[in-house]
Order: sequence, then structure tokens, then C-alpha cells
Amino acid sequence: KAGVTQTPRYLIKTRGQQVTLSCSPISGHRSVSWYQQTPGQGLQFLFEYFSETQRNKGNFPGRFSGRQFSNSRSEMNVSTLELGDSALYLCASSLGEGQGASEQFFGPGTRLTVL
Amino acid sequence: GDSVTQMEGPVTLSEEAFLTINCTYTATGYPSLFWYVQYPGEGLQLLLKATKADDKGSNKGFEATYRKETTSFHLEKGSVQVSDSAVYFCAIRWSGGFKTIFGAGTRLFVKA
Repeated sequence: KAGVTQTPRYLIKTRGQQVTLSCSPISGHRSVSWYQQTPGQGLQFLFEYFSETQRNKGNFPGRFSGRQFSNSRSEMNVSTLELGDSALYLCASSLGEGQGASEQFFGPGTRLTVL
Repeated sequence: GDSVTQMEGPVTLSEEAFLTINCTYTATGYPSLFWYVQYPGEGLQLLLKATKADDKGSNKGFEATYRKETTSFHLEKGSVQVSDSAVYFCAIRWSGGFKTIFGAGTRLFVKA
């Protein structure tokens, strides 16, 4: 079974630009979560989607948004990039319901650098 | 609020030493508990899990027991190897809660 895939793996943008990151979950998984990882703040929860609906959201500004498609693939968008948005963005997928619903599997991440 | 506290690192050990990484949590309800490991340049890998009180999760020589009375989930390994060098994260997640809370992570260095 293929794992969680994230594209692109590396991205360089300049301040003020916007960026879209993509995540394809494990086949059969209907829940996708996004996390921001930085050396200073650690792993911070952005949001989680299940069956195309956002089910929970972390404490990030409205510049951070996401969506989930009917095939469970998810995208997150960051508009008006700031230097502080430089981070590793991790996506995780899980079944979302039923036994084993809480077990998450992570992708390799997208390394975003904002110049 | 809900939170996870891990012992601060880095932890430096010699090969074959005993490892303990402490993790305590504050949570409403009955979350599942997890340990994840992150190797340089990679995403997180699930190391082990426990879904209810007194459950013991184990994998690759690592163990952790869900202690509800002390709200702890300490990670242990009897004999570490150089290849165990990585960052370890403790986490809690509620089934149907759609949110995971991670600890700050503990970096482990194992010297040959």
C-alpha cells in the first residue's frame, strides 16, 4: 500500500507570494491533518479534514487555509507569505472513524523557505 | 487545557545503554497515546501506541505503558543503538476528536 505523499518536497518563495501544498493520503483513509514544524515552535496543528469538511482548526491566521476533495486528497494554501512561514509542513492521514481511527501516518513533508 | 509534556533534550547515551524518555499529559476524556520518531530530513513515523489504560505498546525494542493514574506514557528501550539517534515525539489523540497534540520532542544522540 502506498504511503502518504506530499508535493512538492521543496519550495522557495518570496514574501507576499502565495503557495499551495498538496497531500495524497493512504488509500481508504478519509481524514487528513496538516501540521507546521519549526525549530522554535515544534509541531503545531493547522487543521484536519474528514469527508471534505474541516473538523478542527488550530490557532493560525486566516492566511492559512485548506480543503479536501472527494478523493480525500487535500491541499493547503498560504497567502501573503511571511518570513516566519518558513517551515516543514507535514500532512498525516488516518481512517477517521472506526477501529484504528486515531492512528495517523505521516508524509515526508514539504520544506517551504520564504525569502 | 489539553497538553503533552516531554523531558527536554538532547539526551546523549552510549550504545547499549538503557533509555527512558518521560512523557506526561493532561487530557479530558480518554485519548489514545502515541510515540512517533523522526529521522533527519524525514516525516514522522509511528513507533508505538496504546489505546486504553494499562495497555503496553511495543515495537523494535521500544516499550511504553499507558498509565492513567499518573497520566504518563514513558518510552523505554533496554539497549539503544546508534541507529536509534532521532527525535522522539509523544502525542495524544482522541478517536473522533480530529486533533492531535504533540509534545515538544526529545532529541536522542547515541554514541558508538
